[in-house]
Amino acid sequence: QKEVEQNSGPLSVPEGAIASLNCTYSDRGSQSFFWYRQYSGKSPELIMSIYSNGDKEDGRFTAQLNKASQYVSLLIRDSQPSDSATYLCAVFDNNDMRFGAGTRLTVKP
Amino acid sequence: GAVVSQHPSRVICKSGTSVKIECRSLDFQATTMFWYRQFPKQSLMLMATSNEGSKATYEQGVEKDKFLINHASLTLSTLTVTSAHPEDSSFYICSADDLAGGTETQYFGPGTRLLVL
Repeated sequence: QKEVEQNSGPLSVPEGAIASLNCTYSDRGSQSFFWYRQYSGKSPELIMSIYSNGDKEDGRFTAQLNKASQYVSLLIRDSQPSDSATYLCAVFDNNDMRFGAGTRLTVKP
Repeated sequence: GAVVSQHPSRVICKSGTSVKIECRSLDFQATTMFWYRQFPKQSLMLMATSNEGSKATYEQGVEKDKFLINHASLTLSTLTVTSAHPEDSSFYICSADDLAGGTETQYFGPGTRLLVL
């Protein structure tokens, strides 16, 4: 069974801090990795995709991928209360997208 | 970016009736669409993968005769919940992948909240 694991949280950070979200996956052959944000009662929206080892930055978001360790993370700099949501890690391989259970992030003003 | 729509956004129905939910890719063609269900405070659960022009592939434990999926065109997939019961009340979300865009990124519809009385 291919697994995508996330710490369910809740993760609480003060406004302006860096929020660090982590995800591990079991299938070493996975090639594509995604982070989605889901506000309560809404459907997920794509934040970042990453395909190669290293860091990928987009505004306040940085995705980090380490295929050797089978680990992908999302850093949110200068966290804002509007970042409070559940963050879903997704891993794609062989026409199959698998989601983690999500990490609930709360940014406190 | 790729846009996926769903209709209706919210539906309330009586137990025993059937409900059809539409999922459309608005600005791209989707050979594959996915149907998820999400109960409150739980993660997405993949129900089935819908391929244009062929039968859907259902996840283990999902009744194909209860959740009918039709992917009639490259921009439309429908999910029909037949003989709905209160336990079917959930948030149903579709997604589509834009393979022509060169990635396997899934774009999600806004979801349909179903309440069965």
